[in-house]
Amino acid sequence: AQKITQTQPGMFVQEKEAVTLDCTYDTSDPSYGLFWYKQPSSGEMIFLIYQGSYDQQNATEGRYSLNFQKARKSANLVISASQLGDSAMYFCAMREGFYSGGSNYKLTFGKGTLLTVNP
Amino acid sequence: GAVVSQHPSRVICKSGTSVKIECRSLDFQATTMFWYRQFPKQSLMLMATSNEGSKATYEQGVEKDKFLINHASLTLSTLTVTSAHPEDSSFYICSARDFTGRTTSSYTEAFFGQGTRLTVV
Repeated sequence: AQKITQTQPGMFVQEKEAVTLDCTYDTSDPSYGLFWYKQPSSGEMIFLIYQGSYDQQNATEGRYSLNFQKARKSANLVISASQLGDSAMYFCAMREGFYSGGSNYKLTFGKGTLLTVNP
Repeated sequence: GAVVSQHPSRVICKSGTSVKIECRSLDFQATTMFWYRQFPKQSLMLMATSNEGSKATYEQGVEKDKFLINHASLTLSTLTVTSAHPEDSSFYICSARDFTGRTTSSYTEAFFGQGTRLTVV
């Protein structure tokens, strides 16, 4: 089974509107972290936001917020007031903690969502 | 956030030659480094995990003799693609983790180098 599922291959949003990018995850490890990245065409992986499994509040970073629903194992990214420069691939990733064994603290990525912001 | 620097950003090499990619942690001690590969229009896949001073752990399906990883210091890891072939053309990117506990960030592995786009001709 996939550990990170991003069901939206592509999304379109009008400039200045909000958009939600979906991410669900699968782990039995009680200690994990969830990450969102933006990857523009240049290729660099730009870290956007982090949510720890024990964090009580949803993470926010400027226009980015993470809608963390632990029971549903979802960690959706919300981008408010979209800008043309937000057009890029967006990846959700998970880091499992001490209990998963093997390569602890590696990141497992979803397949990504290509966001296009229309003027 | 933690800074990771990767060099070179782009390299074109001839088939059969070797290419070395460097990954440096600039402001923290990287006890563990992660090397990922990304084929066009695909996601990042972990290739190997290296711990400073010990042998790297390779993911299933990754040839350890082709992708040599050296993590000789707490700030530098290198990935050498040996006898490169066109099918090795890809985007290679690293991240690093500080397990010493001296870094205030709890997720230094979130920060990636700039990536290296390798083209083998």
